[in-house]
Amino acid sequence: GENVEQHPSTLSVQEGDSAVIKCTYSDSASNYFPWYKQELGKRPQLIIDIRSNVGEKKDQRIAVTLNKTAKHFSLHITETQPEDSAVYFCAASRAGNQFYFGTGTSLTVIP
Amino acid sequence: DTAVSQTPKYLVTQMGNDKSIKCEQNLGHDTMYWYKQDSKKFLKIMFSYNNKELIINETVPNRFSPKSPDKAHLNLHINSLELGDSAVYFCASSQVGQSQETQYFGPGTRLLVL
Repeated sequence: GENVEQHPSTLSVQEGDSAVIKCTYSDSASNYFPWYKQELGKRPQLIIDIRSNVGEKKDQRIAVTLNKTAKHFSLHITETQPEDSAVYFCAASRAGNQFYFGTGTSLTVIP
Repeated sequence: DTAVSQTPKYLVTQMGNDKSIKCEQNLGHDTMYWYKQDSKKFLKIMFSYNNKELIINETVPNRFSPKSPDKAHLNLHINSLELGDSAVYFCASSQVGQSQETQYFGPGTRLLVL
């Protein structure tokens, strides 16, 4: 099955700086890569996703890049704000199959 | 937002008891899931289910069983609860097989076994 690794497990940045979280996957057939944000005591919520036919996708301060050859994808958050503090999960899946989640990154944005 | 709902929100019970957690989705999705999130925040898939197939994570004890009375519901039954079952349990749903495969999560059920 798929194996998704996520790094770092914890990340602290100053407000206004950028944050980068990286994930690797093992199954070359995976073609859908969502990112979820989970605030303390809340449910995981989708913040951005990318499919294997696209190399980069951006939504305001959040961007995701995908390198299919190297089997890795990254989440980039620019101009971080305290409300970005949360646990972020990457995931990989292929059509019709379950998600494989990474182990999560706890992001702290220091005001 | 009540697209995926779970009850109860909190569940405190004694070891050895049997309990159920209910999940309902009103998104018309064809696939539902149960996840366990432990104290380290790892999201572990337990089951995925549509009207054709139940996929079970082989590491899940057979004390756990999903029950689906209809397409919009997937309940989780747990027999003979153990201390290690304490965790947050999330239900999720998605529409598999189409371009939109995003999973939508319920609010979670915080289970504490004493």
